[in-house]
Order: sequence, then structure tokens, then C-alpha cells
Amino acid sequence: KQEVTQIPAALSVPEGENLVLNCSFTDSAIYNLQWFRQDPGKGLTSLLLIQSSQREQTSGRLNASLDKSSGRSTLYIAASQPGDSATYLCAVSSEGSQGNLIFGKGTKLSVKP
Amino acid sequence: KAGVTQTPRYLIKTRGQQVTLSCSPISGHRSVSWYQQTPGQGLQFLFEYFSETQRNKGNFPGRFSGRQFSNSRSEMNVSTLELGDSALYLCASSLARAGVSEQYFGPGTRLTVT
Repeated sequence: KQEVTQIPAALSVPEGENLVLNCSFTDSAIYNLQWFRQDPGKGLTSLLLIQSSQREQTSGRLNASLDKSSGRSTLYIAASQPGDSATYLCAVSSEGSQGNLIFGKGTKLSVKP
Repeated sequence: KAGVTQTPRYLIKTRGQQVTLSCSPISGHRSVSWYQQTPGQGLQFLFEYFSETQRNKGNFPGRFSGRQFSNSRSEMNVSTLELGDSALYLCASSLARAGVSEQYFGPGTRLTVT
């Protein structure tokens, strides 16, 4: 049974700092991995999707990497801003169940001005 | 292009009642998935519909059901509500083509059961 873990559960950093969020999964037979952000009481905003054949994806100040063999992904945020404060969630899907995302519990990020 | 919409946004129901939630996917998306989010359990998959057929189902009791219409809009129904059903219910849509499976989420429906 696939399990997704995100460490740390919470993180507080000063504005401008570069930071890394971690995600690990127990079954390496994934179809893709998706990173989301969620603001309090809101839905999820898709940040990056990495197909299982890819190693990384970049969007603006965000870079996500995937190492399937070790069951790990990282989300790198450069030059953090207060507007980056949110909960970041990682989710994986498996072949044949692409519509079923298995989520980690998230990392709650706070960026202090 | 309009995003995923969910109605209603907020709902208060009494234990024992039933409720129906609605989700309209992004135009052209054929897959709709439903998730339940609670502080204790996090996000959990309920079911996925594709071309009006349930394609995958999570580990929830039979009180939770859904359907999808020919225009890809989807509804989920919860019967005999329990206090523990209080949660944020999120739906997501996807093109669901090979290599194009990114899910886009709606704002959610906040259900409170009293």
C-alpha cells in the first residue's frame, strides 16, 4: 500500500531564504508526482507535475525533482516571499489509477517578512 | 478557460440527513475525482469517474456514492450523515489522456454535520 510522507510538518523561514521541502513514498511504481499548495480553507493549486520518466520540473522560483528509485521528491523554493506562506502537499498516482492521488499530510510553510 | 467549480460552497446538515454535492470540471476534461479532507486524516480519495463510469474507488463506506453525467459534471451523495462526515470535499478534473493526467482542483464544499 502506497504511503506518502512529508517532512517537516511545519517550517518557518525569514523572507529571502531558499528552502527545500521533502516528500517520500514507499512504492516506487508511480505514474506521476504532483506538488500542490493550499491556502487556509481553500482548494488546491497545482504547482508542478513530474511524470515518472522525468527527473525534474521547473516553474519560476520553483523546482521539483524526482528520484523514483529512492522514493523521494523535493520541492525547492528560491528567494522565498511572504506570499509563499501556505501548506504544500505532495501526491503520487500509480499506473492504472491516475485519477487516484495519494497525498502526504503536507508541510505548513510560514515566510516571515 | 473556467476552472473547476463546486456547489454549494458551504453546507450545514443534521446527523441522519443526506446531502448532494456538485462538481463541474474544466471544459474538455473527462475525469472527475472526489476527495475528503479532514484535519486528522488529511486528503483521502473517494472515487473517480471517467465517461460516466466509476473507474476507481477509495476505502469509504457505501453511504458515499457518486455519478457522472454525459457533460462530465459529477455529483457525490452522502446518505445517513454522521458527525465524522464533517469535512472539506474537493473535486478535481483531468484530461486523463496518456501523459496528460494533471489534476486541477475546485475550491471545495465545506460540509458541517451537527
